[in-house]
Amino acid sequence: RKEVEQDPGPFNVPEGATVAFNCTYSNSASQSFFWYRQDCRKEPKLLMSVYSSGNEDGRFTAQLNRASQYISLLIRDSKLSDSATYLCVVNMGRDDKIIFGKGTRLHILP
Amino acid sequence: DGGITQSPKYLFRKEGQNVTLSCEQNLNHDAMYWYRQDPGQGLRLIYYSQIVNDFQKGDIAEGYSVSREKKESFPLTVTSAQKNPTAFYLCASSLGSSYNSPLHFGNGTRLTVT
Repeated sequence: RKEVEQDPGPFNVPEGATVAFNCTYSNSASQSFFWYRQDCRKEPKLLMSVYSSGNEDGRFTAQLNRASQYISLLIRDSKLSDSATYLCVVNMGRDDKIIFGKGTRLHILP
Repeated sequence: DGGITQSPKYLFRKEGQNVTLSCEQNLNHDAMYWYRQDPGQGLRLIYYSQIVNDFQKGDIAEGYSVSREKKESFPLTVTSAQKNPTAFYLCASSLGSSYNSPLHFGNGTRLTVT
């Protein structure tokens, strides 16, 4: 099992729709979790941290399920500007090793 | 303003030459990381360092070397032993594991080896 796995893309979604991504991780001792956004040929940028209780930031909601070892990202009322690759990131908890998923590409269609 | 600086943005080298990529941060972060990204692929961890004068291999360390002589600097050398060095290299830093803090990235260096 890969350390961090994400839904394969691309997701082609009409503007205004709701879209959800999942990400699974293999190490139950993993300590912290993040979602990053990466635009073409740019560096990744932090979208949001993922907390055990779940957290929301505007149209974005992140959730963590430790029992099933996955995190999710929900985007409501999607905008054209949401088109990007979304990266799941996990701090493995040993030696501070931080691993990225391969990313899910999202295309918002007008 | 605090941040991470990678230089140069674009780098071209001939096969067989070693090349060193610079990464400097003024965020006072303890941990620093080097990732490699190939077209259409995710980020793969090359090396990381939690503290000065200490570093660990990531998943693809072969053909690379690093040093961490100063807290703010974590240069990466791509040696001639690296079979496919052409890629987008990203440096990042964080407060460290005790803070469970996210990574902050530099703008990256695109290395092309011909």
